[in-house]
Amino acid sequence: NAGVTQTPKFRVLKTGQSMTLLCAQDMNHEYMYWYRQDPGMGLRLIHYSVGEGTTAKGEVPDGYNVSRLKKQNFLLGLESAAPSQTSVYFCASSYVPGTYGYTFGSGTRLTVV
Amino acid sequence: GESVGLHLPTLSVQEGDNSIINCAYSNSASDYFIWYKQESGKGPQFIIDIRSNMDKRQGQRVTVLLNKTVKHLSLQIAATQPGDSAVYFCAENNQGGKLIFGQGTELSVKP
Repeated sequence: NAGVTQTPKFRVLKTGQSMTLLCAQDMNHEYMYWYRQDPGMGLRLIHYSVGEGTTAKGEVPDGYNVSRLKKQNFLLGLESAAPSQTSVYFCASSYVPGTYGYTFGSGTRLTVV
Repeated sequence: GESVGLHLPTLSVQEGDNSIINCAYSNSASDYFIWYKQESGKGPQFIIDIRSNMDKRQGQRVTVLLNKTVKHLSLQIAATQPGDSAVYFCAENNQGGKLIFGQGTELSVKP
């Protein structure tokens, strides 16, 4: 099925460990986004990309890095995980922002202990 | 501003009743608005959208109303069903190339 696929779905990390979350979309969307969602809060934008090879900071970028080497993939990296990064992470993609909505993945639940 | 650590606003309705979920947006220059539904353990799903040149848009069992004067958006769900139980988010395009999401409202449907 077409859409946005996130891997892994669940992960537990120890403080200081690193990991990469993978987002893949097969809709040929130019724009991709990484959000985090914490209890009682809305979606907060971490980083986004407006095309292959480009990335930009969102609202809460500290502690994260991203790469968009291929148009269909958007990677989110945590170099040294902290308990404050325990959250549910969502990837999304879209055509031109403001013209169409985003298509979201099903999320990655990350726990940092 | 953002509220940290508070519970989501909750709306509880009886099955078969109509539901109205409200949202205040922040930027008077925003020109595109979307409602998303998020079921437990899933990503947000698109429900309906509306552009700023419209006041009302209808879908299947859902209607979105836009009041630009007071920067208010509402989602009306007709004949609410148990499957409508979820968290509902509004989002605005603030012309910065990104959608800004509201905190969300949790809809609970009582059978």
